Formats: sequence, structure tokens, C-alpha cells
Amino acid sequence: GENVEQHPSTLSVQEGDSAVIKCTYSDSASNYFPWYKQELGKGPQLIIDIRSNVGEKKDQRIAVTLNKTAKHFSLHITETQPEDSAVYFCAAKHNSQGAQKLVFGQGTRLTINP
Amino acid sequence: DTAVSQTPKYLVTQMGNDKSIKCEQNLGHDTMYWYKQDSKKFLKIMFSYNNKELIINETVPNRFSPKSPDKAHLNLHINSLELGDSAVYFCASSQVLRSLNEKLFFGSGTQLSVL
Repeated sequence: GENVEQHPSTLSVQEGDSAVIKCTYSDSASNYFPWYKQELGKGPQLIIDIRSNVGEKKDQRIAVTLNKTAKHFSLHITETQPEDSAVYFCAAKHNSQGAQKLVFGQGTRLTINP
Repeated sequence: DTAVSQTPKYLVTQMGNDKSIKCEQNLGHDTMYWYKQDSKKFLKIMFSYNNKELIINETVPNRFSPKSPDKAHLNLHINSLELGDSAVYFCASSQVLRSLNEKLFFGSGTQLSVL
């Protein structure tokens, strides 16, 4: 089955600096890669996603890049703000039991220091 | 209006008890899920239902029994609770099961503590 590895597990950056979180996946057939943000006491929320036929996607201060050959994808947050502090999860869509399911990485706890 | 709502938010119980968590979505989605998040924040799928039909059943002990009375509801019943069942359980829904970029909408979670 699919295996998604995410690094780092914790990340602390100064407000205004950039943050990068990296993920690798094992199943070359995976074709959709979303990123979710989980704030304290809440469920994860989708912040950005990318399909396998695209190399990069940007939405204001966040961007995601995908390298299909190397099977890794990254989340980039620029000009970080205190409200960016949260746990971030990458995921890869994988075919299992005839249905497609998301396999999540282990999560990265991002802390923005004022 | 809460899109995916689950109750209760907190559940504290003794080992061996039976408990249920309820989930409802008002988004008109066809597919609903249960995810388990352990103490290390690892998020793993347990079940997926599409229009009341079980689609995905990961290697979950049969003490866990999901029930979907209609496509807007997916409840989770747990028998003979064990210490290792302590976790946060998230319900989620998505519009179409087999679409390429199905966005998951998560509930706010149920923190289960087994003593």
C-alpha cells in the first residue's frame, strides 16, 4: 500500500520568514496530493492541493511543488504569520479495495515565533 | 451552520464499556469516513461509506462497527473499549467517492479517553 513520509515533525520559524515542509510517497500511481491544516481542537482543513499532471501551484502565501519522478512534494509558506501556527498534514491519494483513499503523513507542528 | 458535526466532543469511559459516536453532515455529500488520530497526531482512515454502503474497511478490530442509516449520517459504535482505543476520532465527508480531487470536510473530533 501507499506510505507517506513527512518531515520535519516540528518546525519553528520567525514571523515573516518562510517555512517548508516535505513529503515523500511510495506509490507511483498516486495522483492527487492535498495539504491539510489542523488548528488546536479542530479537525483538519484543506488549504491547497495539487494533481499529478501539475508541477507547482500557488495560492497567495502558500505554494505546493510536486516532483513525480522523485515522488516527493513540498509545502511552502512565505511571510509567515502567527495564525499559520498549526499542525500540517500532507496526503496522497491511493487506490485501495476498489476505492480511492487518502493516506496522510505523520504531520508537522509549525510554530511561528513573533 | 456546521457542515460536519459529531457528538460528543469528549467521551470519558471505563475499559470494557460500549460507546457510540454520532456524525451528521449537511453538505449533501455521498461519502463519509471515520478517521482515528492517535496521541502522536497520526491520522489514519478506519472506514468509508458511500451512499450507505461500506467501501473501505481498514484493519480495524471488529469491536468497531460503523452504521450508516442514511447518507447524511455515519455513526461509530465501539464494544468492549480498551485502553488503546483512546484517541481523537474524526468524521469526514466528501462529495464524490471516485473523483480525482475529492476534498474532505472534517468534523471537530471526538476525544475518547478510556480509563
